[in-house]
Amino acid sequence: NAGVMQNPRHLVRRRGQEARLRCSPMKGHSHVYWYRQLPEEGLKFMVYLQKENIIDESGMPKERFSAEFPKEGPSILRIQQVVRGDSAAYFCASSPTGDLEKLFFGSGTQLSVL
Amino acid sequence: GEDVEQSLFLSVREGDSSVINCTYTDSSSTYLYWYKQEPGAGLQLLTYIFSNMDMKQDQRLTVLLNKKDKHLSLRIADTQTGDSAIYFCAEVTSGTYKYIFGTGTRLKVLA
Repeated sequence: NAGVMQNPRHLVRRRGQEARLRCSPMKGHSHVYWYRQLPEEGLKFMVYLQKENIIDESGMPKERFSAEFPKEGPSILRIQQVVRGDSAAYFCASSPTGDLEKLFFGSGTQLSVL
Repeated sequence: GEDVEQSLFLSVREGDSSVINCTYTDSSSTYLYWYKQEPGAGLQLLTYIFSNMDMKQDQRLTVLLNKKDKHLSLRIADTQTGDSAIYFCAEVTSGTYKYIFGTGTRLKVLA
């Protein structure tokens, strides 16, 4: 059973470009969470999705950021018109249900904005 | 609001015990976790404890929870160089889904 898969592992973008981060949850998991880790900080919650639904996006910046988890395919975190402050590690986690005995985290995508 | 705090650095000698501390503010926390992050890697769940427990032991790891003081600790016995990493504590309240993470403690094990 493969773990949570994120790609790419590293993503370099110039200011103003778009970044698309992908997350495939563990098999059988229908709940996906995105967290952001800024340098020297802990992880901060961004968004919680179930298949085709955004349950809570209270941690997402109001502009330029969006997330989806379609019926088929991976969850996508999209950042439009990236700025240097978007440089961070973005982690995806999944769980089989909404009960959080434990989350399973992916290895993250390191986004660097030049 | 919720807050989880950790000291930033800890340095120990190989073979000694390490104790990593964490304090939290949310008295309704239900689960408390310890994660390990090695350089360039994701988070690895080490152990977790329910809030109705005081202690949990798992091989070299011992978790102590003091609910009165809202203090959580992770003890690593016989610390090895492979234990060098950043250790995050996190808490979550039942019925919610947001993990609140501490800033992480960077453990350095000296040979």
